[in-house]
Amino acid sequence: ETGVTQTPRHLVMGMTNKKSLKCEQHLGHNAMYWYKQSAKKPLELMFVYNFKEQTENNSVPSRFSPECPNSSHLFLHLHTLQPEDSALYLCASSQDPQATDTQYFGPGTRLTVL
Amino acid sequence: GENVEQHPSTLSVQEGDSAVIKCTYSDSASNYFPWYKQELGKRPQLIIDIRSNVGEKKDQRIAVTLNKTAKHFSLHITETQPEDSAVYFCAASTDSSYKLIFGSGTRLLVRP
Repeated sequence: ETGVTQTPRHLVMGMTNKKSLKCEQHLGHNAMYWYKQSAKKPLELMFVYNFKEQTENNSVPSRFSPECPNSSHLFLHLHTLQPEDSALYLCASSQDPQATDTQYFGPGTRLTVL
Repeated sequence: GENVEQHPSTLSVQEGDSAVIKCTYSDSASNYFPWYKQELGKRPQLIIDIRSNVGEKKDQRIAVTLNKTAKHFSLHITETQPEDSAVYFCAASTDSSYKLIFGSGTRLLVRP
């Protein structure tokens, strides 16, 4: 599936590193999302972008910094992360920025913070 | 805010049997209830959804039922096959929200 792609697929970083996750959607959608998936916990919405504008920041620590340069690309910049931030980070997109619109997920980036 | 609870957390069935996963939600304004399937190492994918103006929806071997009065909805898989083994997530949201609130997931194992 190539509708929503994410790079890298795996990332290991130290707590003092700075890295970025990238998401790209090829579906012509207007809304993009970042989710965090930890073991045995529900998918947690982190950020929502609608037509490049951030419309939701779900109380995410400032060490996570999103960027949406256009409606097809979404980044998550990471700095001074903690080991508890290790998780699968999923990007998703939907035609419209309503939660009742079908969301299409990317394959995720498996992040490990040492 | 909305809270979605999902049960059971794990479910093991024999191939050919039926599987039922149940979710309850707290916000009576919720009107959209999708179900996602996530196979091991893969992305979540929408398999079926239901809106509050209907009580049941079917798509081949899968069906979803909704009881708005009791605020619960269920996923039913009939004639299970090994390829149905995955983690299933329910979710709930409203038209006016940007947020899909997910349940904690059910790991389904279909034994051949």
